[in-house]
Amino acid sequence: DTAVSQTPKYLVTQMGNDKSIKCEQNLGHDTMYWYKQDSKKFLKIMFSYNNKELIINETVPNRFSPKSPDKAHLNLHINSLELGDSAVYFCASSQVPGLTYGYTFGSGTRLTVV
Amino acid sequence: GDSVTQMEGPVTLSEEAFLTINCTYTATGYPSLFWYVQYPGEGLQLLLKATKADDKGSNKGFEATYRKETTSFHLEKGSVQVSDSAVYFCALSIDNQGGKLIFGQGTELSVKP
Repeated sequence: DTAVSQTPKYLVTQMGNDKSIKCEQNLGHDTMYWYKQDSKKFLKIMFSYNNKELIINETVPNRFSPKSPDKAHLNLHINSLELGDSAVYFCASSQVPGLTYGYTFGSGTRLTVV
Repeated sequence: GDSVTQMEGPVTLSEEAFLTINCTYTATGYPSLFWYVQYPGEGLQLLLKATKADDKGSNKGFEATYRKETTSFHLEKGSVQVSDSAVYFCALSIDNQGGKLIFGQGTELSVKP
């Protein structure tokens, strides 16, 4: 069983479109995250949710909107896609406190905007 | 602000060579430290961690010791294998920051037979 699963794995879309990436975890973790990995492989946090409540929003454009219907799911919706949004997006989860147990990452969604 | 700096890659080694990947950090609080590994086309996997000074994390022959006096968490392995080829990320997390991980820029390791 996959612990943190993301769909789709690959997403190719045109500029200006709206798209969503879904994430689900079956670990019973309380906290979920979205990270962005750019073309140089640098990873930066975008959002985190704890029990469906937004706790981190790291200066991400308004075009990105996370939604957490329950603590096992954290979806990422992106409006008006731009070329610069092309990246690999990773979902992750952790138990509270994540510091002790570490974080579990999904396998990533490679978004290409053309 | 809080940050992590890793040695630049790529690092190319022959099989059975000794590996060191340097990692230093700057933190306003007391961080926990992690090494993650990313194999080609995959997500990140936790390799090892340390939550307080002088702790040594170890896994799969890799080790790293939390050195508060030098703000470092260098990754070492005595004898690398081809299967260790991957990108390695050093990261920190601080208790009062909502659990976010701050990553270094990653170090690509390539091991040749």
